[in-house]
Amino acid sequence: GAGVSQSPRYKVTKRGQDVALRCDPISGHVSLYWYRQALGQGPEFLTYFNYEAQQDKSGLPNDRFSAERPEGSISTLTIQRTEQRDSAMYRCASSPTGGAHHNEQFFGPGTRLTVL
Amino acid sequence: AQSVTQLGSHVSVSEGALVLLRCNYSSSVPPYLFWYVQYPNQGLQLLLKYTSAATLVKGINGFEAEFKKSETSFHLTKPSAHMSDAAEYFCAWTGSARQLTFGSGTQLTVLP
Repeated sequence: GAGVSQSPRYKVTKRGQDVALRCDPISGHVSLYWYRQALGQGPEFLTYFNYEAQQDKSGLPNDRFSAERPEGSISTLTIQRTEQRDSAMYRCASSPTGGAHHNEQFFGPGTRLTVL
Repeated sequence: AQSVTQLGSHVSVSEGALVLLRCNYSSSVPPYLFWYVQYPNQGLQLLLKYTSAATLVKGINGFEAEFKKSETSFHLTKPSAHMSDAAEYFCAWTGSARQLTFGSGTQLTVLP
């Protein structure tokens, strides 16, 4: 079946512009996670949802970052007034249930964001 | 802060040799531990996970890992490396929170 998809795969933008990154999770998956991965580092947590409810946004670095999942499926991560330090790979993952801590998270291919 | 530490950002082995990738965790309570693999231009793929059911965990592609509480370790091994194993490997941890906390990764190179 289809895995987690993300679009665009690559995004180049100029400093100060807003960007919206999209994540389409595996159908039926309850939980959706956003991570950011800098070059040479492991992914770092940004935020996650169970259904449409944002459960934890403690990893969002500042108020320029926001995320939504209005219908409990597709999610959008928005970065306003982008800065060069926002350049990274943004990864989305989904998980079948919101209950168990050890449920596998299925990752998408990521969106490579470059801010010039 | 509770975390995982991967020793060695780059590991090289010869094809057919033992693969050993090291991961140590710091946690005051038994964590859930994972190993993920990342191939170029692909998403992370789960290799195996420890959920306290058994200390020796077998995963895909011939990999396994042993949870050792006394050493706070969860090292990943494979008896015989294959060229297709070349990738970046991440150890990850989750505790009371749902999200994964990743180590910094180990790039595995397999030499012919």
